[in-house]
Amino acid sequence: AQRVTQPEKLLSVFKGAPVELKCNYSYSGSPELFWYVQYSRQRLQLLLRHISRESIKGFTADLNKGETSFHLKKPFAQEEDSAMYYCALSFGNEKLTFGTGTRLTIIP
Amino acid sequence: GAVVSQHPSWVICKSGTSVKIECRSLDFQATTMFWYRQFPKQSLMLMATSNEGSKATYEQGVEKDKFLINHASLTLSTLTVTSAHPEDSSFYICSASNRAHQPQHFGDGTRLSIL
Repeated sequence: AQRVTQPEKLLSVFKGAPVELKCNYSYSGSPELFWYVQYSRQRLQLLLRHISRESIKGFTADLNKGETSFHLKKPFAQEEDSAMYYCALSFGNEKLTFGTGTRLTIIP
Repeated sequence: GAVVSQHPSWVICKSGTSVKIECRSLDFQATTMFWYRQFPKQSLMLMATSNEGSKATYEQGVEKDKFLINHASLTLSTLTVTSAHPEDSSFYICSASNRAHQPQHFGDGTRLSIL
């Protein structure tokens, strides 16, 4: 069965420091990976997906099939990055399997 | 664009009551809608997938007679929690996509509290 693991429930980073939110997955096929973000009092929204290879709000994520990881990175954290981040996996259909989320706090 | 509206945002009711939650896509046609449940400090768990005009597909362990899903139009899906009990108290979130393999757009969620 597919599973998404986000090992850190909480992560605090100083403003201007690099950020890395970890995500590992277990799935035997070729998954599609996503990062969703939920800012305070807002709905869950798509941040980026691996097939797009985009950089959104300075964030990037590379799918590493060897390590089955899809870590989210940003070189310089900003205060507005404080939010809840969910890694999610889709396996050939539209269903999403979510990780438990990481609450990122940027310290001014 | 791609706004999903969920109503109500919060409902408190007595045990035994049936509660209906609506999920609307405001500016696009949602061929597929999804219903999730989220317990405190836990992840979103998919409950069911609904396609317009057909029966919903429920995930393993989700009682279809307990959680009735209707997707009668391309812009509206409803989740009815029948004869709700305190253990049904949770945060329910819907999402919608307008084409196959397109990203899901999420509603704000409904916090259901059963007394």
